[in-house]
Amino acid sequence: AQSVTQLDSHVSVSEGTPVLLRCNYSSSYSPSLFWYVQHPNKGLQLLLKYTSAATLVKGINGFEAEFKKSETSFHLTKPSAHMSDAAEYFCVVTPGSGNTGKLIFGQGTTLQVKP
Amino acid sequence: DTGVSQDPRHKITKRGQNVTFRCDPISEHNRLYWYRQTLGQGPEFLTYFQNEAQLEKSRLLSDRFSAERPKGSFSTLEIQRTEQGDSAMYLCASSSFLSRTGELFFGEGSRLTVL
Repeated sequence: AQSVTQLDSHVSVSEGTPVLLRCNYSSSYSPSLFWYVQHPNKGLQLLLKYTSAATLVKGINGFEAEFKKSETSFHLTKPSAHMSDAAEYFCVVTPGSGNTGKLIFGQGTTLQVKP
Repeated sequence: DTGVSQDPRHKITKRGQNVTFRCDPISEHNRLYWYRQTLGQGPEFLTYFQNEAQLEKSRLLSDRFSAERPKGSFSTLEIQRTEQGDSAMYLCASSSFLSRTGELFFGEGSRLTVL
């Protein structure tokens, strides 16, 4: 069965410092992996996606993630945090073959950015 | 605005009442999804439609829940005899069948509070 585990429920960084949000996945197939962000009272927004092309994926707002099959990881990083990055972040996997859009979400990581 | 829209955004009801949520997907998207998100958790898949056909339902979708998409455009999610455990954010998303990556576009959600 496919699943994702977000290793930190809460991450706090200072503005201007690097961000690292960790995600491990479990999948029987070559997975598609995503990071979504959810700001308060806003809909989920796609940050980036991995679909078996380049292992280093660049997304919006300066975020990127690296797919590491040997470590079954898909960690999200950003070199320098901005106050507007404060939000809930979800690592997401699609459950295997076929494209049904049935996404499996991690439990989320709350990113706090301190001035 | 050509995004996914949901109505109402907030609903407060008494236990035992019926509620209905509506979702209007992005117009060219033929797939529509319902997810449920409880406090502190990631969204969980409930059901999805391709055009007017309901192709999959989660075990989370008890017999008190019914979803329809009668003309393959908007969808409704009805909850009968609401219980306090139904309190959650109900998220709608849409995608194109042609999307190879399975990316979903989410609405802002309908928050249900059952008293």
